[in-house]
Amino acid sequence: EPEVTQTPSHQVTQMGQEVILRCVPISNHLYFYWYRQILGQKVEFLVSFYNNEISEKSEIFDDQFSVERPDGSNFTLKIRSTKLEDSAMYFCASSSGRGLKAFFGQGTRLTVV
Amino acid sequence: SQQGEEDPQALSIQEGENATMNCSYKTSINNLQWYRQNSGRGLVHLILIRSNEREKHSGRLRVTLDTSKKSSSLLITASRAADTASYFCATDGYNTDKLIFGTGTRLQVFP
Repeated sequence: EPEVTQTPSHQVTQMGQEVILRCVPISNHLYFYWYRQILGQKVEFLVSFYNNEISEKSEIFDDQFSVERPDGSNFTLKIRSTKLEDSAMYFCASSSGRGLKAFFGQGTRLTVV
Repeated sequence: SQQGEEDPQALSIQEGENATMNCSYKTSINNLQWYRQNSGRGLVHLILIRSNEREKHSGRLRVTLDTSKKSSSLLITASRAADTASYFCATDGYNTDKLIFGTGTRLQVFP
């Protein structure tokens, strides 16, 4: 089965630094998402992306965050000036249509120290 | 906003037994999906049930949906040790792309 690929699998960063989390969605998918899961907590929606623009974002997704699809295959999440509370597992997902099954990557564990 | 709550929070059973997990939500939905997560790993899609469906089967999985009670259940029959994982329900609504995840049920299947 096709899969969503995320890199790196684990990233440790100093507080205040910028990080870029990378994702390669499934090639014919049109909808892309970022979610995060703080250890032991729920999976939370961050942002959805369709037709080269953000289609929906949560209140978590503030000016500190941005997303980009730089080259038609990669989908990135940038976190500027990381905070300790940004430590979480970040999941990328893609689907071929709204309301269809979403395929998730294995996640990037971000640790801010 | 929608919020999924699952119960039980944790479930321990012996191999061969059935496992039933329940999910409740608060607002109208378009679809409800169940995902599985092995410890520290990604989310694996198990099954999707639409709001106009009442029951769906996939292998050893059976999902029911009761929109009048805003609840769903996931039944895993003849469980195996490899079924040990956390199971989450996730709902989406009309005119929204996002999935709202439940709190999850941690299932432990003992050999």
